[in-house]
Amino acid sequence: DVKVTQSSRYLVKRTGEKVFLECVQDMDHENMFWYRQDPGLGLRLIYFSYDVKMKEKGDIPEGYSVSREKKERFSLILESASTNQTSMYLCASLAQENQPQHFGDGTRLSIL
Amino acid sequence: ILNVEQSPQSLHVQEGDSTNFTCSFPSSNFYALHWYRWETAKSPEALFVMTLNGDEKKKGRISATLNTKEGYSYLYIKGSQPEDSATYLCAFVGGGTSYGKLTFGQGTILTVHP
Repeated sequence: DVKVTQSSRYLVKRTGEKVFLECVQDMDHENMFWYRQDPGLGLRLIYFSYDVKMKEKGDIPEGYSVSREKKERFSLILESASTNQTSMYLCASLAQENQPQHFGDGTRLSIL
Repeated sequence: ILNVEQSPQSLHVQEGDSTNFTCSFPSSNFYALHWYRWETAKSPEALFVMTLNGDEKKKGRISATLNTKEGYSYLYIKGSQPEDSATYLCAFVGGGTSYGKLTFGQGTILTVHP
């Protein structure tokens, strides 16, 4: 079974802090994704990566950046956290386009 | 940004009832339609990946149909059980070089009462 592990289930940070959310997958998948989920809005794509050091913006990249230095790890960075970034963040990985994505358990991030 | 809509937003049913939800998506440039089940405190779990018009898929008491020409998919649950309570998400994959990017609907929250 594919395992996607997110570093924290719950995280509380202060406005203006630099925040790192880490995601690791163990199945050598090429593609990895970061989403956020807000009530009534579904999952929205922030960034994705289709190879090491390669990244592309999703639908809501503003205020975020990402890093993919190794194939198994995809990091989401909040450069200067703001209260409107309080949300549930989900990481996913994908082997091939016609297959389902595999998700982590999510990180519930609160920015105070 | 692509428009993927799910209805209803939430649904309460009694144990044993059968139920269905709708997902509507763009009918042009279609590649695939995904269904996921997301239970509280767990990660979203894939139910189906559907690619062909007219496709029907089944997993236990859950089934799904796909109409790519008119841009909709139905998810059916037969004889709902309390453990079916979850948020059901559909997601659209467009053609071209998408790298498997998903555009999600807002989800249908199902509550099954014993």
